[in-house]
Formats: sequence, C-alpha cells, structure tokens
Amino acid sequence: GESVGLHLPTLSVQEGDNSIINCAYSNSASDYFIWYKQESGKGPQFIIDIRSNMDKRQGQRVTVLLNKTVKHLSLQIAATQPGDSAVYFCAENKGTSYGKLTFGQGTILTVHP
Amino acid sequence: EAQVTQNPRYLITVTGKKLTVTCSQNMNHEYMSWYRQDPGLGLRQIYYSMNVEVTDKGDVPEGYKVSRKEKRNFPLILESPSPNQTSLYFCASSFTSGGAGEQYFGPGTRLTVT
Repeated sequence: GESVGLHLPTLSVQEGDNSIINCAYSNSASDYFIWYKQESGKGPQFIIDIRSNMDKRQGQRVTVLLNKTVKHLSLQIAATQPGDSAVYFCAENKGTSYGKLTFGQGTILTVHP
Repeated sequence: EAQVTQNPRYLITVTGKKLTVTCSQNMNHEYMSWYRQDPGLGLRQIYYSMNVEVTDKGDVPEGYKVSRKEKRNFPLILESPSPNQTSLYFCASSFTSGGAGEQYFGPGTRLTVT
C-alpha cells in the first residue's frame, strides 16, 4: 500500500556532528511533506516543511531535501546537540486533501556528548 | 500562553463504556486533528477538521466520532471502547488555511481499555 517509511530506525551520532535522517515515500501524488520531532513524554513538535515544487528548504540548523525522482525525503541537522535527541517523524500529504497526513514510523536519534 | 489542551491526560476504562476526550486550542486555529500513537505503528490520523462543522476521516476512523461545533474545541468520542483502542492519543491544531501545516500538538491522553 501507499505509505511513508524510513530507512533507518535508529541513528547515533556524536555531539557536533551533522545528522541525516531519511524517509521514503511511495505516493507520487504527495505534494507536501513535514518533519516533526518528538521528545520522550511529549507531543510531536513541528520542525520544517517543504512543498513538492521545491527540492530544498533551510531552517535554523536544519535542512530538508526532497528528491521527487526517487521519492526520497531527508532531514539534515547541523552541529547536532544532545537536545536534538528525540524521535523524528516525516509526514506526507497525499494531495487529495491537505488535511490528511500519513506519518512514517520514526527514527530514534541519539546524540552522545 | 498559546497551547492545545487535552483532558483527561490519563484514563482507564472498561469495554463498552462511552467516553469523550476533549481537545481545546486558544490560537484561533482553523485546522484540528486527532492521532493515535502505538508502538511500532507511529502516529496515525483518526479524524481531522478543516473548520467549524467540517470534519473528515483520517486513516483509522473506525470506532471513533468527532464533532466541531465551535472553532476552539474538537472532542474525540468513543461510543463503545474496545481494548484495541488502548493507545496514546494526540490532538493537534494549525492555523494554515487549506491544510495541516505547522501543527501544534497537545500533551497526549493515555487511554487504557480493559
């Protein structure tokens, strides 16, 4: 079926390194993608989003890359800090309704001091 | 303080006993949504609402009802809860017109159905 998934369920990095979290999607009609961060015991928190008419968008220490050819989305975190340790989810809007979102399984990012 | 609130935060109930989880936001957001989160399954959307009196199904709407009679509130109703509805539930809201956008999530409601 059509779904959003992740290549790696866990990622461990050293403080100060750059992190890359990947996400694959299968629905070519999807035109809006969002990354969320969820810390233990809390609700998800919006990080950054990107529309399908873009291939790159930058925020504060984060960059999202969208490769529509291979249906791949990535989140890059620069100079990763211990506070970045969390579960990261990508979410996909399938284009039929902008209100309907499908989330990936999540990647656990652990940052070691 | 801008926030999404959910009540109750924790609930243990028995099969078949109707319950309502309330969700309220004070940001005048048009869009609101309910999700459930289960280990290994991530977040799954139950229902969403683009505006007052406008609701639609997400990926897992079976066994749930919602209503959006006013902008700030979006209650989730379980008419006859079953054990497979034991989960962590999140409500979220967004100002973005026409879609989910930058959603603000509530703190979650942990529901156990025995």
